[in-house]
Amino acid sequence: SQQGEEDPQALSIQEGENATMNCSYKTSINNLQWYRQNSGRGLVHLILIRSNEREKHSGRLRVTLDTSKKSSSLLITASRAADTASYFCATSNSGYALNFGKGTSLLVTP
Amino acid sequence: SQTIHQWPATLVQPVGSPLSLECTVEGTSNPNLYWYRQAAGRGLQLLFYSVGIGQISSEVPQNLSASRPQDRQFILSSKKLLLSDSGFYLCARTSGQGIGYTFGSGTRLTVV
Repeated sequence: SQQGEEDPQALSIQEGENATMNCSYKTSINNLQWYRQNSGRGLVHLILIRSNEREKHSGRLRVTLDTSKKSSSLLITASRAADTASYFCATSNSGYALNFGKGTSLLVTP
Repeated sequence: SQTIHQWPATLVQPVGSPLSLECTVEGTSNPNLYWYRQAAGRGLQLLFYSVGIGQISSEVPQNLSASRPQDRQFILSSKKLLLSDSGFYLCARTSGQGIGYTFGSGTRLTVV
């Protein structure tokens, strides 16, 4: 079932700018994950944040989680053309499966 | 290595024909394995998952079935394809709950 909902659906920025994507979900979670998908390819795991964490960093990525608002944000700093891709949030509760949103399509132009 | 091998990369099949997509994984034994489908412009829909050999859980009733004959092999099948089976099929693995997934490169299936 689909739980995460990314916003915006599409985002276009220039190289060097920051990109922020948001994710909202509906039910309680154990963790929330962000994935990147280049056109026509599989998904690549970027970062996982647990329900008891509020912020996490990995390189140029910063993820926040607000469980009271059931929302998360992914910030990519100093964007590069190679960051052009679709970004998905996925939530995990007590089960084995991840529930994915529809994704944000990011275009970074030189 | 947690590499996942999926083939073929693209497939065009007529309506009513059978389907068999294979996924094999490397790395730690007894992984959890998943089949997802992604329709154009949409998110990923979980189709099946498996926590062990011969153990298959179906998330969505449909025209597809899955099998896990070996620890590192996961197969998606259909006896008769429908137009609505078209999509991008992704195999994924994880070594436990609360851990990031590793995805294969996917199979683009077009039913004509």
